Amino acid sequence: DAMVIQNPRYQVTQFGKPVTLSCSQTLNHNVMYWYQQKSSQAPKLLFHYYDKDFNNEADTPDNFQSRRPNTSFCFLDIRSPGLGDAAMYLCATSKGQGLGEQFFGPGTRLTVL
Amino acid sequence: AQTVTQSQPEMSVQEAETVTLSCTYDTSESDYYLFWYKQPPSRQMILVIRQEAYKQQNATENRFSVNFQKAAKSFSLKISDSQLGDAAMYFCAYRSRITGNQFYFGTGTSLTVIP
Repeated sequence: DAMVIQNPRYQVTQFGKPVTLSCSQTLNHNVMYWYQQKSSQAPKLLFHYYDKDFNNEADTPDNFQSRRPNTSFCFLDIRSPGLGDAAMYLCATSKGQGLGEQFFGPGTRLTVL
Repeated sequence: AQTVTQSQPEMSVQEAETVTLSCTYDTSESDYYLFWYKQPPSRQMILVIRQEAYKQQNATENRFSVNFQKAAKSFSLKISDSQLGDAAMYFCAYRSRITGNQFYFGTGTSLTVIP
């Protein structure tokens, strides 16, 4: 089945220690998104790629970076995690040009010690 | 930017009964999508139903249906014959078909199903 896969599902890191979360998709969608979601809140968009075009949200901290080496993969790098970065990180994909819905991965739960 | 409002942070329904979740949105555009997503506790966000704004007919998916009022910018979700598995956070979302790739989410409604 076509899907969005996130690895790892659970990640524990130490305060200030860089961490990378990964997302892959078999849907061949143009757009990939990274969201941060804290408990019982709506997902907060960090950034998205439309093909190789990177779109950063204005309020996304510089601590968060992303890479998309090809259509299938996208990475979220947190350079110096703080306690406030502990959250669920959701990857999602969609077709481009305003077409259709988003498909979400299962998320990565990040704990910062 | 478009805004999506869910005014009911929490709702509850008796099993087998019907419940309606509310959503309103603000846009100046005429061509867009609206969605309802379901996120069960500690589980994946999945699409429940979608509505294309140019379609006047309300979308239906089995026990889930919407009441789409374009002029009023209202998009409510009706769940009939509620089941225990319907317990989840429900998010309303908006996507422009013109300006493209961003999705705008409401703050969510937590639905409890009482056995």
